[in-house]
Amino acid sequence: DIQMTQSPSTLSASVGDRVTITCRASQSIGAWLAWYQQKPGKAPKLLIYKASSLERGVPSRFSGSGSGTEFTLTISSLQPDDFATYYCQQYNSYSRTFGQGTRVEVK
Amino acid sequence: EVQLVESGGGLGQPGRSLRLSCAASGFIYDNYAMHWVRQAPGKGLEWVAGISWNSGSTMYADSVKGRLTISRDNAKNALYLQINSLRPEDAALYFCARGASSSVYYYIDLWGTGTTVTVSS
Repeated sequence: DIQMTQSPSTLSASVGDRVTITCRASQSIGAWLAWYQQKPGKAPKLLIYKASSLERGVPSRFSGSGSGTEFTLTISSLQPDDFATYYCQQYNSYSRTFGQGTRVEVK
Repeated sequence: EVQLVESGGGLGQPGRSLRLSCAASGFIYDNYAMHWVRQAPGKGLEWVAGISWNSGSTMYADSVKGRLTISRDNAKNALYLQINSLRPEDAALYFCARGASSSVYYYIDLWGTGTTVTVSS
């Protein structure tokens, strides 16, 4: 199975900060990577697909980049609604695996 | 309104079976692949299984292969997950999720709110 490793596990930030989360794959997955946001007690929400394509309705402060084994999710200016947990997921292989999650908390 | 609503969760005894259901509405159900994803209490997301639009392709996580079965009924706009030989590690919130295309190999673009499975004797 392809392993997905996110860093950091927890990130402390303030409103207005630029935030970057990294996701590394144990082998190349091309650009077959999605990013999701999950708030406590809620369903995940798709933010980014195919590594860098912004889902309709998602604010443009979210962006994704990368290919192969290293990917990043960037929030250009953190807003109060963005404090949540973020997951990457690869969909390159038969078994599509998630990263362990990155919790973005108030500094 | 586009919606996925799960049901069928509850308390199950170890070794017994449970069947989860998901009702889809607000979109053309048989145009899309479907998936189940679970989340143990306080843990991350674990993809469990996926099925193509016409049930022609099914995929399972290695951790559940042979014990969980995904199926769908396009006439009823319904998705199912049969869990056999319940184990403590099956305790989780189970999300029904829509694939972004008819192929099971695409990403997930829509999630339900989940149904909780508890395993205890």
